[in-house]
Amino acid sequence: GAVVSQHPSWVICKSGTSVKIECRSLDFQATTMFWYRQFPKQSLMLMATSNEGSKATYEQGVEKDKFLINHASLTLSTLTVTSAHPEDSSFYICSAEEGARETQYFGPGTRLLVL
Amino acid sequence: TQLLEQSPQFLSIQEGENLTVYCNSSSVFSSLQWYRQEPGEGPVLLVTVVTGGEVKKLKRLTFQFGDARKDSSLHITAAQPGDTGLYLCAGGYTGGFKTIFGAGTRLFVKA
Repeated sequence: GAVVSQHPSWVICKSGTSVKIECRSLDFQATTMFWYRQFPKQSLMLMATSNEGSKATYEQGVEKDKFLINHASLTLSTLTVTSAHPEDSSFYICSAEEGARETQYFGPGTRLLVL
Repeated sequence: TQLLEQSPQFLSIQEGENLTVYCNSSSVFSSLQWYRQEPGEGPVLLVTVVTGGEVKKLKRLTFQFGDARKDSSLHITAAQPGDTGLYLCAGGYTGGFKTIFGAGTRLFVKA
């Protein structure tokens, strides 16, 4: 099956610093990748849709200057949480869509803790 | 607003019992996916169904796509503690419309 990796798996940082999370599709090319945020015991909340070679599309209420997304290649998308604050602490999950299929394959997630 | 309603939200059962999780929508999907997510991990794809009325089986799990492709069900036979997790359904569309996710069903199977 399609494999998606995420790095790092967890990160602890100080308030005010920026954190970059990488999402890679390992065995397929993904023109579209998605970034989600998940709060404890809740479902996924879509933050943005990342398209290779173009600007990301952000969901309502998600600050694009706060959560910078770059999708520079067909196998890599990055999410940078800028000037992180404790309220940004969460579980961030990416997914990649394989070709024209509608199925998303998820990464293992990145747990961010901002002190 | 497109919605995918998932029920029940929470289910706690004894090992060996059967259960069914439902996803319902007023929208017609071109495909529907079921995922299972364990704590601290990303969702793992269980199945994709694309044809109205389609039934797929994965060991003790049976997935059905409604005839009108608006709803789906996941039935687990003889649940085991290893089935514990968050089950998510997701409806997909063709033509660039984004996939929508259900709120999830949190299943706890007690030994």
